[in-house]
Amino acid sequence: QSALTQPRSVSGSPGQSVTISCTGTSSDVGGYNYVSWYQQYPGKAPKLMISDVNKRPSGVPDRFSGSKSGNTASLTISGLQAEDEADYFCCSFAGSPYVFGTGTKVTVL
Amino acid sequence: EVQLVESGGGLVQPGGSLRLSCAASGFTFSSYWMSWVRQAPGKGLEWVAKINEDGSGKYYVDSVKGRSTISRDNAEKSLYLDMNSLRVEDTAVYYCARYDAYHFADWGEGTLVTVSA
Repeated sequence: QSALTQPRSVSGSPGQSVTISCTGTSSDVGGYNYVSWYQQYPGKAPKLMISDVNKRPSGVPDRFSGSKSGNTASLTISGLQAEDEADYFCCSFAGSPYVFGTGTKVTVL
Repeated sequence: EVQLVESGGGLVQPGGSLRLSCAASGFTFSSYWMSWVRQAPGKGLEWVAKINEDGSGKYYVDSVKGRSTISRDNAEKSLYLDMNSLRVEDTAVYYCARYDAYHFADWGEGTLVTVSA
């Protein structure tokens, strides 16, 4: 199972919106509505931000949203804030294993 | 508050063995699947293994199948990963995660495993 493809980096100014794509295949992203997104600060553990494509766990700001079209899922951060600067990983169920994305560094300019 | 605390990492020679442990608190441990996820230095995340609530169902990524065993002790609220025949490419931070309906809801801070001669 190959890793899901994410852009290496995205950037935006405070208040702007950024979108991170996560491209897989019909065997993972396209085959299941089980895409999740994780935020990770350097040296820290990942934190769940989105589950089941577009569900936000309690405590996650509503400026984070998820969507999916075909074999590509997306995470959008609206109203970008300085604390959103981190690495973001997507993940998809793929039958039995799970496959993670390559990771995207979000930079707040 | 959910807490997951990993231990057992360290430096091991290629071909060696290691047992990782994860102590859980703040939730009903016996009601959840649990999982191990690893991250090689400077790299992305890789799912390693998962185990169902009573330990009767275990699943592994192909790269560790036959070399690693996931287990749990619900009375002790602990998760384990026994790793054998370790390779240099197994070097990573290993995270324990509470698995909840196709996502990894909570994570520990991880324990570093370094495989090197």
